[in-house]
Amino acid sequence: VLTQSPATLSVSAGDRATLSCRASQNIDSTYLAWFQHRPGQAPRLLIYATSSRAKGIPDRYSGSGSGTDFSLTITRLESEDVGVYYCHHYGGAAGTFGQGTKVEIK
Amino acid sequence: QVQLVQSGAEVQKPGASMRVSCKASGYSLTNFYIHWVRQAPGQGLEWLAVVDPGETNTRIVPKLQGRLTTTTDMSTTTIYMELSRLTSDDTAVYYCARGSRFLAGAFWGQGTHVTVSS
Repeated sequence: VLTQSPATLSVSAGDRATLSCRASQNIDSTYLAWFQHRPGQAPRLLIYATSSRAKGIPDRYSGSGSGTDFSLTITRLESEDVGVYYCHHYGGAAGTFGQGTKVEIK
Repeated sequence: QVQLVQSGAEVQKPGASMRVSCKASGYSLTNFYIHWVRQAPGQGLEWLAVVDPGETNTRIVPKLQGRLTTTTDMSTTTIYMELSRLTSDDTAVYYCARGSRFLAGAFWGQGTHVTVSS
């Protein structure tokens, strides 16, 4: 089980947003990814293997973590960063997503 | 370029079955897995299954085992996901996504709206 916090994050434009994803047990960091999901669009891969940015993702996005605690950091927040962010992991013979963190501009 | 193109919206009655197709192009189908993910109205993303198109081997989330099946037509590079005994809880946007054996990746279909209603 992946538990994300907070449920909603309101951040001023230009500031930093830090999103948390906590696993119920230790996971292999190779199998942890982050997605951005905007309404009406398909999810967009941001980070894979905990900290590797997907192709075309700006360096304002970074991922870190190990064991049970993982995070996604977005620096210099822009209006295009608004959306819901999900962590994604495969374990126990099935994939799973966290429940999501909604990022909005304050 | 890599593309996943899904079938159009469906409206189904409770108890019926749905079938969503995902046509892959721009890469070799057997080199990647296909994940199925859905989002019910007002809810988050829910992982459903991962398919190895070349081996017709599918791993399915436990809650849908017995109701979800997948097939692959290699001649048309299309993967199908069928869900039977539909209830209103199955109303959602269904996505296919190319990925590894374990995780969905960067390429997704456009989504297919499925509504289950009497």
